[in-house]
Amino acid sequence: IAGITQAPTSQILAAGRRMTLRCTQDMRHNAMYWYRQDLGLGLRLIHYSNTAGTTGKGEVPDGYSVSRANTDDFPLTLASAVPSQTSVYFCASSGPVLGFQETQYFGPGTRLLVL
Amino acid sequence: AQKITQTQPGMFVQEKEAVTLDCTYDTSDPSYGLFWYKQPSSGEMIFLIYQGSYDQQNATEGRYSLNFQKARKSANLVISASQLGDSAMYFCAMSPTNTGNQFYFGTGTSLTVIP
Repeated sequence: IAGITQAPTSQILAAGRRMTLRCTQDMRHNAMYWYRQDLGLGLRLIHYSNTAGTTGKGEVPDGYSVSRANTDDFPLTLASAVPSQTSVYFCASSGPVLGFQETQYFGPGTRLLVL
Repeated sequence: AQKITQTQPGMFVQEKEAVTLDCTYDTSDPSYGLFWYKQPSSGEMIFLIYQGSYDQQNATEGRYSLNFQKARKSANLVISASQLGDSAMYFCAMSPTNTGNQFYFGTGTSLTVIP
């Protein structure tokens, strides 16, 4: 593994189903992030984690949850998917120094369609 | 509130010419970082260039330069000698210090390089 990986690459999901998007980084970055990208809206932050064991809410957290059990993994869970969660989801990380204005590096994205 | 504005939904440039992509921002935080990312049609987010709010000189990275005008709160990306491979979406982002390392993205500019 080099950088950030996300799984699955794409998914079609029935509304009401539970789904976990996986994100793993091997750069030993302290901070990790989840964004959604929708046409015309750019990228919007869903949740973030500044270090293992801590998480925080971003701009659009409703309907999503995250956990950060270790440095490398930052899964995003949709407890009960709705069509408005159809989007492209990007995971990102920054570091290794915990601080501000660190460049964020992005995974390849997960394309999710909720029907 | 933090805000990033990209007013050019689409831009065209002739191959080998220079092009400027506009970005303005709004923040009350005196310390912040400014970033540009490229997103080609394949979908990945590629980091291009960073400018710190206290940097005295404009950042440059190869053919990319950032025209930073702090008083006007603008951080325009200049691409010199455009190439066909520069055709992509370009996103401006800001990270104010007081938000940790949270990024705020603009809505993007689609650049098309014409042969």
